[in-house]
Amino acid sequence: QKEVEQDPGPLSVPEGAIVSLNCTYSNSAFQYFMWYRQYSRKGPELLMYTYSSGNKEDGRFTAQVDKSSKYISLFIRDSQPSDSATYLCAMSSAGGGSYIPTFGRGTSLIVHP
Amino acid sequence: DGGITQSPKYLFRKEGQNVTLSCEQNLNHDAMYWYRQDPGQGLRLIYYSQIVNDFQKGDIAEGYSVSREKKESFPLTVTSAQKNPTAFYLCASSMGSLQETQYFGPGTRLLVL
Repeated sequence: QKEVEQDPGPLSVPEGAIVSLNCTYSNSAFQYFMWYRQYSRKGPELLMYTYSSGNKEDGRFTAQVDKSSKYISLFIRDSQPSDSATYLCAMSSAGGGSYIPTFGRGTSLIVHP
Repeated sequence: DGGITQSPKYLFRKEGQNVTLSCEQNLNHDAMYWYRQDPGQGLRLIYYSQIVNDFQKGDIAEGYSVSREKKESFPLTVTSAQKNPTAFYLCASSMGSLQETQYFGPGTRLLVL
C-alpha cells in the first residue's frame, strides 16, 4: 500500500460543477497538507496549504483535512475550463528535521464548456 | 521577479552520453530538490540539498549525480548508468524549515535518441 493514494482519473465535469478531489494516506504522522495544480508540460504550482485538521478556503477553492479518517479533499466551486489540469496532493510530517513531502500520483481534471 | 528557472526545456540524450540539467533559483531558499515525473507515477525524489556543499539521495538516485556549490544552483547530471532516462524532470526549492512549502520550476523534458 502506498503512503498516499490518489485516483488518477480522468475526472470529467461540465463547466460550473462543484469538483471534489481526494487523497487518502496511511502515515498518521503527516501534519502538513498541500494541493498543487499542474498544467500539461508545466511545473506544479501551490494552490492550498493546510496544517493539521480543518478547512481552509481561498476563493473558489476549499481544502479539507480529516486526520481521524486520514483523508483530505480539495473542492472547486463554479469550475471553469481553465481549471482543467492535474491536481497533486502532498503531505509531510514534522519529524526528521527536513521537509520532504510525499506526493500523490495526481488526478487529471477536465472541465468541459 | 523571484522564481526558479530550469534549462533547457527539452533535452535529447544519445546512448552512453551524460547530460546535465540546470536549475537556478533567486528566492534565497536554502533547500533544493530534484524530482522525476513519469506518466501515472507522480513525483519521485532523486536528490535533495538542504545547504550548500551538502546533498542526500532520494528514492531513485541511481544513475544520477548532483552538486551544490552555490546556494542558487543545483544542477542534475543524468549519467549513462541511468538506463531509462526519458521523463519530465522538475526542480524545486523551499526555505528548508518544516513550515515552508516547495516551489517548482517549469521542468525539463529529457528524451533519448
